[in-house]
Amino acid sequence: EVQLVESGGGLVQPGGSLRLSCAASGFTFSRYSMNWVRQAPGKGLEWLSYISSSSTLIYYADSVKGRFTISRDNAKISLYLQMNSLRAEDTAVYYCARDRSTMLVGDAFDFWGQGTMVTVSS
Amino acid sequence: EIVLTQSPGTLSLSPGERATLSCRASQSVSSTYLAWYQQKSGQAPRLLIYGASSRATGIPDRFSGSGSGTDFTLTISRLEPEDYAVYYCQQFDTSLWTFGQGTKVEIK
Repeated sequence: EVQLVESGGGLVQPGGSLRLSCAASGFTFSRYSMNWVRQAPGKGLEWLSYISSSSTLIYYADSVKGRFTISRDNAKISLYLQMNSLRAEDTAVYYCARDRSTMLVGDAFDFWGQGTMVTVSS
Repeated sequence: EIVLTQSPGTLSLSPGERATLSCRASQSVSSTYLAWYQQKSGQAPRLLIYGASSRATGIPDRFSGSGSGTDFTLTISRLEPEDYAVYYCQQFDTSLWTFGQGTKVEIK
């Protein structure tokens, strides 16, 4: 069974940093590209970042470019999101999500974690 | 950046009725990269449709997707109680994924 479990969320002050983790199981993690998506309270979904299976391709949404860094450790079967210079508008549930295909960049996201809440407030 | 606009914002229907959800793109989208998701309150999104018309694993055949270019549709042929949720379309272009703002399907 595919499982994605996010951790690392919490309360942080504006300007602070946080590192999210996503532990994967039930599939060959090293073959799949991964993504981070967030959802502000009561709002819709916002894609944040993509990383290919071998970390050779990395993309970011403009809203987080230069502040957030995606990475992965295939040996530890984990995905990460380093978030710096956090703002109130970064308050959201953060999900990791797996690409459906191992071959196609831009494919849909077929498995999602349950999310971890990040609150940016003083 | 391609903007996806979903309509209506809210759809009020009774169980057994047909639901038709629209997703319109600001520019042409490759059907390969158009997906639909269902999200229930307090839960993570679930993939329903990928490639505009292919059902994801385990998705009932009452869900279908269609469309091309700038106009895409998700149809639920007969609403079941478990189908009341928010639905999002998603597209990929170059190096960016975007989601529509969502359509809420509620019980009438």
